[in-house]
Amino acid sequence: EADIYQTPRYLVIGTGKKITLECSQTMGHDKMYWYQQDPGMELHLIHYSYGVNSTEKGDLSSESTVSRIRTEHFPLTLESARPSHTSQYLCASSESYGYTFGSGTRLTVV
Amino acid sequence: AQSVTQPDIHITVSEGASLELRCNYSYGATPYLFWYVQSPGQGLQLLLKYFSGDTLVQGIKGFEAEFKRSQSSFNLRKPSVHWSDAAEYFCAVGTRMDSSYKLIFGSGTRLLVRP
Repeated sequence: EADIYQTPRYLVIGTGKKITLECSQTMGHDKMYWYQQDPGMELHLIHYSYGVNSTEKGDLSSESTVSRIRTEHFPLTLESARPSHTSQYLCASSESYGYTFGSGTRLTVV
Repeated sequence: AQSVTQPDIHITVSEGASLELRCNYSYGATPYLFWYVQSPGQGLQLLLKYFSGDTLVQGIKGFEAEFKRSQSSFNLRKPSVHWSDAAEYFCAVGTRMDSSYKLIFGSGTRLLVRP
């Protein structure tokens, strides 16, 4: 039973559109993360947050942005989607000793 | 630099056979080590983790893994595979990041199970 929720699960959108991928968790975790999973299945950290008003870029450069206004909510935004943004995006949160992942959003930009 | 290597891209085993998935890591300090499983179209589910203590770690679904510092390995094992185990398996190392840690993943091993 998921304690971290991502919506939408699947999204097909045209080039140039603005999109926001939603991520919410009910566990009260301060730390949250966004990973991008490319077609070769590797996962790369693109954003993370240690709490409200804290956001940092991860290892993989991304044109997306994130915000953390509430502890439970960590949305990811693409201002102008491009085909190169086609990927799966996984949100996670953590306490001291483990990450919990959402089910992911599979984004296709056409 | 920290890295995780999963040398097997695909592994096929018969149902009921034993399984071992290999994982090697490169990290200077004592690592946090994890195995996750991902079913098609799903997120990642934690199978087991190692932080310290006993080097043989038991996880969910009958999986276990053994940390071998001398070999920089954390191989995943299961004595008898079930058809429902077919999925993608990811090894990860947790590396220090400010007051927390981040996960660095291997490229994954796809497990196929023959009936």
